[in-house]
Amino acid sequence: DIQMTQSPSALPASVGDTVTISCRASQSISNHLNWYQQKSGKAPNLLVYAASSLQSGVSSRFRGRGSGTDFTLTISSLQPEDFATYYCQQTYSAPPLTFGGGTKVEIK
Amino acid sequence: EVQLVESGGGLVQPGGSLRLSCAASGFSFRTYDMNWVRQAPGKGLEWVSYISTNGDTMYYADSVKGRFSISRDNAKNSLYLQVNSLRAEDTAVYYCAREVHGPDYYGSGPPKYFDPWGQGTLVTVSS
Repeated sequence: DIQMTQSPSALPASVGDTVTISCRASQSISNHLNWYQQKSGKAPNLLVYAASSLQSGVSSRFRGRGSGTDFTLTISSLQPEDFATYYCQQTYSAPPLTFGGGTKVEIK
Repeated sequence: EVQLVESGGGLVQPGGSLRLSCAASGFSFRTYDMNWVRQAPGKGLEWVSYISTNGDTMYYADSVKGRFSISRDNAKNSLYLQVNSLRAEDTAVYYCAREVHGPDYYGSGPPKYFDPWGQGTLVTVSS
């Protein structure tokens, strides 16, 4: 199975900050990497697919980059609605389609 | 509007069973692969099971293999998860999710992603 490691697990930040979340795969997954946002008590919501493609309707403040084993999600000019938990997911090799452990972006 | 609505969760004793349902609307259900993903309280996301469009291919996480069974009824636009021999560690919110395949621009196979997700149904295993 491909393991996905996210860092950091928690990220204190302030409104207006730019933050970056990292996701590393245990083997190359090409660009088969997705990012989801989950707000408390809600279902996950797709932000970025194929490493860098922004899902329709998602703010351009979100930017995904990377290929192979190393990926990042950058959120520019953090807004109050961006404080949430973010998960990466690999879809290169299945089963299983594995998720990272999550990164909680919290108010500093 | 594309929508998925889960139901069937509840409180069940260890060793018990439940049948979770996911009702799809707003899209051609029969043309999409579907998945179940769960999330234990305060924990991350765990993929549980996959089923192909016509139901002839199914996959399971090792943690549920032999105890859970995924199925679908394309005539009813519905996805199901039969969960048997439940354990305390199966306590979680169970989400259904549509699997979308994007264009293969790079020749490495079409990207896949989950969109949308249902709101989830809570399964609590406790005596």
